[in-house]
Amino acid sequence: SAVISQKPSRDICQRGTSLTIQCQVDSQVTMMFWYRQQPGQSLTLIATANQGSEATYESGFVIDKFPISRPNLTFSTLTVSNMSPEDSSIYLCSVASRGAPYNEQFFGPGTRLTVL
Amino acid sequence: QQPVQSPQAVILREGEDAVINCSSSKALYSVHWYRQKHGEAPVFLMILLKGGEQKGHEKISASFNEKKQQSSLYLTASQLSYSGTYFCGTVPYITQGGSEKLVFGKGTKLTVNP
Repeated sequence: SAVISQKPSRDICQRGTSLTIQCQVDSQVTMMFWYRQQPGQSLTLIATANQGSEATYESGFVIDKFPISRPNLTFSTLTVSNMSPEDSSIYLCSVASRGAPYNEQFFGPGTRLTVL
Repeated sequence: QQPVQSPQAVILREGEDAVINCSSSKALYSVHWYRQKHGEAPVFLMILLKGGEQKGHEKISASFNEKKQQSSLYLTASQLSYSGTYFCGTVPYITQGGSEKLVFGKGTKLTVNP
């Protein structure tokens, strides 16, 4: 499986500021995803990061709030913009390679964000 | 639509068995199982595909009933290391063969005591 790293691992931010989270993979992957996991809750997909094109967002998530970049097949960033305490959560990236028939997803270690 | 997991929580003694269920109201292409320990990322356990193929952890078994859109994860002879929250993630069936977007259930918290 791919080795995935995320930066920062955790951060405490002030309301109204923005934070960019990086996701780096040690090999080229087809698909990259960004999830949010609130404490004690399940994982919710924010968007699919598409290489060379705009990300595809899930219902309830918008580009202005969560801009995503994916400049190549090993790297993606998620920005949490104009943060409020409700954005406090763990943000995880995951990767998958389209190797039919299996499309296992593997998760990065996550970024724990606290907004004051 | 979010799959439904049951039970929500289970407590075992080491060596006992457990079954965790995941059901969906939609036709599924695949079911993925993960285990997450507190403060850590989810770890991939197993994937089950429509048609019967599966791939995953050698000590964990699972089934996928395509007609009922249900999957079950079987944890036998449980070890202390099995403790954690188990999530199923489902991929709805698309005629082209499926999408990789996972929809996760709410999780089942498993505690294994000595």
